[in-house]
Amino acid sequence: DTAVSQTPKYLVTQMGNDKSIKCEQNLGHDTMYWYKQDSKKFLKIMFSYNNKELIINETVPNRFSPKSPDKAHLNLHINSLELGDSAVYFCASSQETSYEQYFGPGTRLTVT
Amino acid sequence: GNSVTQMEGPVTLSEEAFLTINCTYTATGYPSLFWYVQYPGEGLQLLLKATKADDKGSNKGFEATYRKETTSFHLEKGSVQVSDSAVYFCALPNQAGTALIFGKGTTLSVSS
Repeated sequence: DTAVSQTPKYLVTQMGNDKSIKCEQNLGHDTMYWYKQDSKKFLKIMFSYNNKELIINETVPNRFSPKSPDKAHLNLHINSLELGDSAVYFCASSQETSYEQYFGPGTRLTVT
Repeated sequence: GNSVTQMEGPVTLSEEAFLTINCTYTATGYPSLFWYVQYPGEGLQLLLKATKADDKGSNKGFEATYRKETTSFHLEKGSVQVSDSAVYFCALPNQAGTALIFGKGTTLSVSS
């Protein structure tokens, strides 16, 4: 069974479009995260959710909005996509009091 | 706030060579320290961790010792294999304890 899954794995779209990436974890974890990895492999936290509540929101444009329908899901919605949004987006989860994070396989977003 | 610095790559080695990837940190207190590995086309996986000073984390032949005197957590392996080719990330929690801060990653390439 996949612990943290993301869909889609690849996403190619045009500038100005709105898209979503879905994430699900079956580990029973309380905290979920979205990270952005750029072309140089630099990994940066975007959002962190604990029990469906936003607990961290780094300097991310408000075109990005996380949605957590329940503890096991954290989706990422992106409006008005820009070229600079092209990257690999990773979802992760952890127990509330543990920093041992489990990552999904990533979604490679390409904006043309 | 907390931060982590790891050596720039890429690191290119022959099979069975000794590996060291340096990682130093700045932190308030003594947070847990982590090494994650990212194999090509995959998400990050926890490789090893240490939760307090002088702890040694180990897994798959890799080791790292939490040294508070030198604020370091260097990754070592005595004999690398081609299958170890990946990107390695050093990480620690942010000051608020709400997310992990990752180093810039070190790409390791091992040739036979």
